[in-house]
Amino acid sequence: KAGVTQTPRYLIKTRGQQVTLSCSPISGHRSVSWYQQTPGQGLQFLFEYFSETQRNKGNFPGRFSGRQFSNSRSEMNVSTLELGDSALYLCASSLEVRPYEQYFGPGTRLTVT
Amino acid sequence: QKEVEQNSGPLSVPEGAIASLNCTYSDRGSQSFFWYRQYSGKSPELIMSIYSNGDKEDGRFTAQLNKASQYVSLLIRDSQPSDSATYLCAVNMEWGNNRLAFGKGNQVVVIP
Repeated sequence: KAGVTQTPRYLIKTRGQQVTLSCSPISGHRSVSWYQQTPGQGLQFLFEYFSETQRNKGNFPGRFSGRQFSNSRSEMNVSTLELGDSALYLCASSLEVRPYEQYFGPGTRLTVT
Repeated sequence: QKEVEQNSGPLSVPEGAIASLNCTYSDRGSQSFFWYRQYSGKSPELIMSIYSNGDKEDGRFTAQLNKASQYVSLLIRDSQPSDSATYLCAVNMEWGNNRLAFGKGNQVVVIP
């Protein structure tokens, strides 16, 4: 079974621009979560989507948004990029069965200059 | 208080020895607990999940959960150089969604 895929893998943007990242979950997984990983803050939860609905949201500004499509693929968008948004953005998918194990994709490395 | 804490610094262990990692969490109602391994430059890889008190063994890995004391640990037996990585403790604190709270991780270095 194919794993979680994320595109693009690397991205360089300038301050003020916006960016869209894509995630395709493992086949059959309907929950998709997004995390930001930085050396200083570690892994932080951004939001989770299930059945095209945002089910939970972390403590990030409104510049961070996402959506999920009917095939469970998900996108996240960051508008008005800031230098501090430079990070590894990880997508994880899971089944809706206990213990809700989440499997991560390879991530998108975003650099904001 | 942080939700999930991993306080130990880098851990160096000789090849063949046991590596022991600990993690504490703040929410007594937490239900599911996970250990991820992350190699440098790679994404986290799930290696263990546990949600009942006691021990769970999988190969050379043993996870231990004590909900009363709010800690979860990971033992790596017969440590190999390929076990050199950062180990992340993650806790699902809420029923009904998949939000994971992560510790900062512990770096393990296995010395041949």
